Amino acid sequence: KQEVTQIPAALSVPEGENLVLNCSFTDSAIYNLQWFRQDPGKGLTSLLLIQSSQREQTSGRLNASLDKSSGRSTLYIAASQPGDSATYLCAGHILTGGGNKLTFGTGTQLKVEL
Amino acid sequence: EAQVTQNPRYLITVTGKKLTVTCSQNMNHEYMSWYRQDPGLGLRQIYYSMNVEVTDKGDVPEGYKVSRKEKRNFPLILESPSPNQTSLYFCASSLTSGGARPTDTQYFGPGTRLTVL
Repeated sequence: KQEVTQIPAALSVPEGENLVLNCSFTDSAIYNLQWFRQDPGKGLTSLLLIQSSQREQTSGRLNASLDKSSGRSTLYIAASQPGDSATYLCAGHILTGGGNKLTFGTGTQLKVEL
Repeated sequence: EAQVTQNPRYLITVTGKKLTVTCSQNMNHEYMSWYRQDPGLGLRQIYYSMNVEVTDKGDVPEGYKVSRKEKRNFPLILESPSPNQTSLYFCASSLTSGGARPTDTQYFGPGTRLTVL
């Protein structure tokens, strides 16, 4: 059974700091890996999707990498801002007979302080 | 605006009273799915649908039903809700469902917070 783990569970940093969120998975059968942001009382916003054939994706201040051989993905946030405060979830796309199933980690709760 | 909508957003009900949570997407997506989110357990898939009239169980389907009569709608039905179904529910959709393409990116609704007393 595929498991996805995110460390740390919570992180507090001062504004302007660069930071890395970690995601590890137990099975290299993950196809794509998707990073989401979840704000309190709101749904999930897709940040980046890394295809299994890619090593990284970038969007603005965000950069996500994927290393299937080691079962790890990282989300790098440059020059953090208070507006980045949210819970960040990684999820692996598992190719099953039922198609596009996402297996989620339990998230990293990020707080960026002034 | 391209979006996934869910209704209601908040619901408090009592054990055994049938309820339906609606989900609708306006992106002509083939794939739709329901997840529940619980503290310490993360999001877990309840049911999914590859296309109209094609549905199948996810990881935690017990106590739930779904239907997909139209491409845009994928309601979640709790025939006899119980307190252990108190949770935050998310509907999601994607254009395709292979799991290996950018068009497999899943878009989520705002969530429905359900409390069963």
